[in-house]
Amino acid sequence: GDSVTQMEGPVTLSEEAFLTINCTYTATGYPSLFWYVQYPGEGLQLLLKATKADDKGSNKGFEATYRKETTSFHLEKGSVQVSDSAVYFCALSENQFYFGTGTSLTVIP
Amino acid sequence: EAGVTQFPSHSVIEKGQTVTLRCDPISGHDNLYWYRRVMGKEIKFLLHFVKESKQDESGMPNNRFLAERTGGTYSTLKVQPAELEDSGVYFCASSQGSIAGAHTDTQYFGPGTRLTVL
Repeated sequence: GDSVTQMEGPVTLSEEAFLTINCTYTATGYPSLFWYVQYPGEGLQLLLKATKADDKGSNKGFEATYRKETTSFHLEKGSVQVSDSAVYFCALSENQFYFGTGTSLTVIP
Repeated sequence: EAGVTQFPSHSVIEKGQTVTLRCDPISGHDNLYWYRRVMGKEIKFLLHFVKESKQDESGMPNNRFLAERTGGTYSTLKVQPAELEDSGVYFCASSQGSIAGAHTDTQYFGPGTRLTVL
């Protein structure tokens, strides 16, 4: 069945460091892929999405490219800020939504 | 525009008791979803309403869980009787769109209800 695997955290980075959170997926068809972010005390918010192979989703300096050949959708940001501290969830949508376990990111000044 | 709201934010109950969680979706959203995250694990799909109808309830763990969406507006998720393994965070989400495209539409999540069963 469908599933999502993302790198385990927690991840701690210094401000302005480069961020990569790996995400790979297993799907039977052609899913849409998403990154959601959960800031402390809030619900999940859509960060970015891609609906077909080679699409790049981007938002707030984050980006991820839908790679069908490697079944991956890694999240990257060139320079993280303290305000990026949150839990990040990779997800795919085919017949229903499947989420990864979440990766906690802490950015220190 | 108000977002998805959930009530209560936290609930602590004893094993064997009953708890009812409520979700108010964004106004006008036909699709409503329930998810659960057990500590440290992935967020798992429970069920999907389209208006007042259950479109997919394949993720419901067992018959102790009952979800309703009378009138196609807010939804409730009742756990009766609660067991220890039911502890976790229950998320509700809603989306707008046709049934065909529902699973590619952006889902808007509520803050979740943290349920602790002692």
